[in-house]
Amino acid sequence: AQSVTQPDIHITVSEGASLELRCNYSYGATPYLFWYVQSPGQGLQLLLKYFSGDTLVQGIKGFEAEFKRSQSSFNLRKPSVHWSDAAEYFCAVGAGWDKLTFGTGTQLKVEL
Amino acid sequence: KAGVTQTPRYLIKTRGQQVTLSCSPISGHRSVSWYQQTPGQGLQFLFEYFSETQRNKGNFPGRFSGRQFSNSRSEMNVSTLELGDSALYLCASSLDGGRGSSNEQFFGPGTRLTVL
Repeated sequence: AQSVTQPDIHITVSEGASLELRCNYSYGATPYLFWYVQSPGQGLQLLLKYFSGDTLVQGIKGFEAEFKRSQSSFNLRKPSVHWSDAAEYFCAVGAGWDKLTFGTGTQLKVEL
Repeated sequence: KAGVTQTPRYLIKTRGQQVTLSCSPISGHRSVSWYQQTPGQGLQFLFEYFSETQRNKGNFPGRFSGRQFSNSRSEMNVSTLELGDSALYLCASSLDGGRGSSNEQFFGPGTRLTVL
């Protein structure tokens, strides 16, 4: 069965500092991997996705993620966090866009 | 073009009642998926509809059902509501729910269901 682990429930960073959110997955075949962001009272917005090819993928809002097959990881990074990045971040895995398995999420707090 | 819309946005029901939630996908999208989001269980896949047929199903009891109409709008129904059904119900639409970059899935804002 597929699963996603986001080991950090809460992370606090200072504005301007770098950010890395961890994601480990378990999947039998080549996965589709996603990072979504959810602001309070909102639905999910896609930040970036990995299907195949270059293992370093760029997304919106200055985010990037690196797929490491040997470590079954797909960590999300941002070099300089802005206060508006405060939100909950979800990593997800699937065989396609549908029937995704999500991690439990990481709540990001940004200190000014 | 308009995004995914869900109605109502908020709903309060009592135990034992039933509820119907509606989702209108982006124009041209034929796949609609439903997810339940709770603090305890996180985001869990309920089911996916494509061309009026349920194509995928998650691990939820039969009290949770859905349907899709010829215009791709979808409804989900929960019968005999329990306290644990209180959640944010999200729907998402895509062209056909398959693979490929052109098939991006877009989420609606959700319906917040509270069961008292």
